[in-house]
Amino acid sequence: QVRLEQSGPEVMKPGASMRVSCKASGYTFTDYHIYWVRQTPGQGLEWMGRINPTSGGTNSAQKFDGRVTMTGDAAISTAYLELNSLKSDDTAVYYCARDFLRIGVPGITWFDLWGQGTLVTVAS
Amino acid sequence: IQMTQSPSSLSASIGDRVTITCRASQNVNKYLNWYQQKPGRAPKLLIYAASTLQSGVSSRFSGSGSGTEFTLIISNLQSEDFATYYCQQTYNTWTFGLGTKVEVK
Repeated sequence: QVRLEQSGPEVMKPGASMRVSCKASGYTFTDYHIYWVRQTPGQGLEWMGRINPTSGGTNSAQKFDGRVTMTGDAAISTAYLELNSLKSDDTAVYYCARDFLRIGVPGITWFDLWGQGTLVTVAS
Repeated sequence: IQMTQSPSSLSASIGDRVTITCRASQNVNKYLNWYQQKPGRAPKLLIYAASTLQSGVSSRFSGSGSGTEFTLIISNLQSEDFATYYCQQTYNTWTFGLGTKVEVK
């Protein structure tokens, strides 16, 4: 079964760093980009960045530059999102999602597979 | 690229035809997707490339448009369609609209 399984909920203090994991199964992890999207309470979906699990190359939204780190461990088919210097408005559900297109294949794409989401609460 | 959806919410009844609009701040060709999200769940892909129905999705859903103007239509609204709908452009990075919540009238 093709799926992305995320780590469980976290409660973090302001100023701390969070890490969310996203384990892929049922497909070749290194064949597809993994994206990170967050959803703040009552708000819409916000793209944070993506990682190429083969090369480790990343792209991140300008808003998160300097605060976000995305990594991948191909041996265990797992991607990680780290966000540091947490603030209360980082409280959100964080999703990982898979690109429909294989890496290197051009064309219109979309997110065809999503993790279940990880709630991260930032509170003192 | 900014994605603007309208309306932000709407009330509808079972059997209604619902129209949701998504406007891009610049040309995104047909790099436009629609997702449905229900509370506590991850988004689910409905339509990709502006007008292609994802496998397994009801034919009540249809999409159209290109360039900067796109439309999602839900015909014959059913109870399971009450949800929030998001458009997404993947032409230049990957941004979403703020969503349209479809509620029971």
